[in-house]
Amino acid sequence: NAGVTQTPKFRVLKTGQSMTLLCAQDMNHEYMYWYRQDPGMGLRLIHYSVGEGTTAKGEVPDGYNVSRLKKQNFLLGLESAAPSQTSVYFCASRGQVNHEQYFGPGTRLTVT
Amino acid sequence: DQQVKQNSPSLSVQEGRISILNCDYTNSMFDYFLWYKKYPAEGPTFLISISSIKDKNEDGRFTVFLNKSAKHLSLHIVPSQPGDSAVYFCAARLSRNTPLVFGKGTRLSVIA
Repeated sequence: NAGVTQTPKFRVLKTGQSMTLLCAQDMNHEYMYWYRQDPGMGLRLIHYSVGEGTTAKGEVPDGYNVSRLKKQNFLLGLESAAPSQTSVYFCASRGQVNHEQYFGPGTRLTVT
Repeated sequence: DQQVKQNSPSLSVQEGRISILNCDYTNSMFDYFLWYKKYPAEGPTFLISISSIKDKNEDGRFTVFLNKSAKHLSLHIVPSQPGDSAVYFCAARLSRNTPLVFGKGTRLSVIA
């Protein structure tokens, strides 16, 4: 039981490049979330999903897209990376019954 | 407009003493409050929670107090240990289907 895993752990992109961050959970959770953490800003919600095939915008969705084709996976895409997207990205999941979210280890992304 | 506020960016406490971390919120409709702990280079981990219908919840050295009239909650750690040094995030939710809203975090340093 790995919990929530994120791929990759680190990445450096040039401005304008694209990439996809993968989040996988093996707890059969319905809800999945993508957050970014920046110094002094806490955890800000980018997009989330309440079930397979559904997605919704969070607090800071601009510049990102997501997909939830399979229940266990939640993908975060950057179509054209910008330096403002330099951040640490956390994925989280939650079951229907419990209220706590379980977080992955994070992906550190640098855009130059 | 920040709905969950942690006004102290940092706190320093001596080992063995009590640590008190504070959190204020603006939305009286929040039904659940949670505290997360985060070590460097790791994802946040769930620590303790409290329902809006309670005013106290205790788990070992950790106790969370909720004052609904003041829209304030606090996390007490007694006794504080060096391993408690981390960033603590307060979070709240409106309902079971809504994402958590996080504060900006408080960095706790427990000095031996």
